[in-house]
Amino acid sequence: DAGVIQSPRHEVTEMGQEVTLRCKPISGHDYLFWYRQTMMRGLELLIYFNNNVPIDDSGMPEDRFSAKMPNASFSTLKIQPSEPRDSAVYFCASSLSRGGREGSYNEQFFGPGTRLTVL
Amino acid sequence: AQKVTQAQTEISVVEKEDVTLDCVYETRDTTYYLFWYKQPPSGELVFLIRRNSFDEQNEISGRYSWNFQKSTSSFNFTITASQVVDSAVYFCALSVLGGGADGLTFGKGTHLIIQP
Repeated sequence: DAGVIQSPRHEVTEMGQEVTLRCKPISGHDYLFWYRQTMMRGLELLIYFNNNVPIDDSGMPEDRFSAKMPNASFSTLKIQPSEPRDSAVYFCASSLSRGGREGSYNEQFFGPGTRLTVL
Repeated sequence: AQKVTQAQTEISVVEKEDVTLDCVYETRDTTYYLFWYKQPPSGELVFLIRRNSFDEQNEISGRYSWNFQKSTSSFNFTITASQVVDSAVYFCALSVLGGGADGLTFGKGTHLIIQP
């Protein structure tokens, strides 16, 4: 089975440009998460969706960041305009929740990440 | 709010030595879940283990073992007879809803170097 797919794997862009990162979750999973990894801040949650609906976007750093999930098999994270401090590895993860506080016991499967460099 | 602390930034040992990675967590929730992930040099995040707050039994999987102690809010990870292939960054993480339905709070990671 295919895991979480992210594209592109590497992105180099110039400051001020728009960047779009893409994620295809594992088929059938109902939760999708976006994380960012930097040396300074480590791994931090940006936003997550349940059944295509954004649940918590409190980790999104600022209005330049936006995320969408138009259907169950696709999500995007967009940065407009990009800045050098956005340089990081962006991970997408998905999970299948069985529902209920006790039953939500499934691990998140991570994609390979997108390494973004903003010059 | 949840917090995970991995005080060891980097550990270097010689192959075949045992090594323990420390993880201390903070949460006000009585039900929570703890995880360990491995990030090898290739960069992907690999799930290792999940443990819920109701189960304090230690777990062993081959050369890996985990020690969960609620009294000290710790979830430590031991590799026995380490191998070069164990070299990676290891992350401890916490979630309230099991990781399936909420985001993970990660520690800063411990970079483990196994020297031949």
